[in-house]
Amino acid sequence: NAGVTQTPKFQVLKTGQSMTLQCAQDMNHEYMSWYRQDPGMGLRLIHYSVGAGITDQGEVPNGYNVSRSTTEDFPLRLLSAAPSQTSVYFCASSVRVGEDSPLHFGNGTRLTVT
Amino acid sequence: AQRVTQPEKLLSVFKGAPVELKCNYSYSGSPELFWYVQYSRQRLQLLLRHISRESIKGFTADLNKGETSFHLKKPFAQEEDSAMYYCALRSSNFGNEKLTFGTGTRLTIIP
Repeated sequence: NAGVTQTPKFQVLKTGQSMTLQCAQDMNHEYMSWYRQDPGMGLRLIHYSVGAGITDQGEVPNGYNVSRSTTEDFPLRLLSAAPSQTSVYFCASSVRVGEDSPLHFGNGTRLTVT
Repeated sequence: AQRVTQPEKLLSVFKGAPVELKCNYSYSGSPELFWYVQYSRQRLQLLLRHISRESIKGFTADLNKGETSFHLKKPFAQEEDSAMYYCALRSSNFGNEKLTFGTGTRLTIIP
């Protein structure tokens, strides 16, 4: 089991460029989510999915799109990167939503937008 | 709206001394609370959850609904406890599930 795999680990974009952050899990988890981590802000939920074909917005969804065509993959798309999106992004998954289903995190993607 | 507050960004404690990381929450429903930890060069991982009332690596946390707190405690700090700690609150509203994190406390154990 690789767990939750995020690619790339590092990325530098110019303002206005688009890109996709990849997240894959091999644990057959129903629930997947994306967080961004900023200094002094903790982790903030961007988007989440409770199963294939189902996505919903979190706390800070603007500027990001997601899709969940398979159980394994949950890519995060930046349509037109802005410097405010400079952050560390974490993907996390759990068996299902619930208090006995802890989140499993990826290693993170450090994104810089210039 | 739910909120999790960790008032200390940084906490330094001598080895062998007691540790307490503070966490307060606001939530109108029945809270479910967790502590997550991130050791240096490792992934964020679950440390403990209030529902299981367990002790992990010597840490315990009691949910105090009257004070809306879920402080993390350990009687004798060890060097390997140095890490970033996040308190988190799970909320569920009409099928929308969210885990809200606090801003984190960086714990440093002084040898």
